[in-house]
Amino acid sequence: AQSVTQLDSQVPVFEEAPVELRCNYSSSVSVYLFWYVQYPNQGLQLLLKYLSGSTLVKGINGFEAEFNKSQTSFHLRKPSVHISDTAEYFCAVSDSGDYKLSFGAGTTVTVRA
Amino acid sequence: DGGITQSPKYLFRKEGQNVTLSCEQNLNHDAMYWYRQDPGQGLRLIYYSQIVNDFQKGDIAEGYSVSREKKESFPLTVTSAQKNPTAFYLCASSITGNGNEQFFGPGTRLTVL
Repeated sequence: AQSVTQLDSQVPVFEEAPVELRCNYSSSVSVYLFWYVQYPNQGLQLLLKYLSGSTLVKGINGFEAEFNKSQTSFHLRKPSVHISDTAEYFCAVSDSGDYKLSFGAGTTVTVRA
Repeated sequence: DGGITQSPKYLFRKEGQNVTLSCEQNLNHDAMYWYRQDPGQGLRLIYYSQIVNDFQKGDIAEGYSVSREKKESFPLTVTSAQKNPTAFYLCASSITGNGNEQFFGPGTRLTVL
């Protein structure tokens, strides 16, 4: 099973500033990669996913992520955040032969005016 | 609208009692999952089911039980054997197969008094 590391547990950021959330996983075998967002006391919502093809993936709400196989990373970025982006973000990985997901511990993003 | 429902939203239990959390989906998904979420630990897989009348243990199955008698339903029982059951429980479902997005319910927050 994959091990997923989200390098920052808390990321404070000012409104309209860029943000990057870092995610590394343990194995370089063929993988599927996901970013989910969770608002307080709610379930998770998919932001974007990488299955194959272009290493730059665009998702909802202006988020994008870049898959780097050699560094086993899948970092999430947004060029300009809004107050409404305040939430917890989870990186998740599955091996291509297994549809179970392994989740990182999460990164809490707090956007301030 | 298609989706996943979980009930109740909040649940309180006395020590020594078994409780059952409900999860229903109308997405026609074959696979269903139960996760436990604790602060700072991300999501950990309790049980999953790929098809009716079949299910497998996840990473933290001890003290939990499930059934899958219908495609739409995947209830989770938290037994008195679970030593630390206070947590947020999330149910998810997906189309069976690699790389498919998991859709999440809104969660149930269980508190042991």
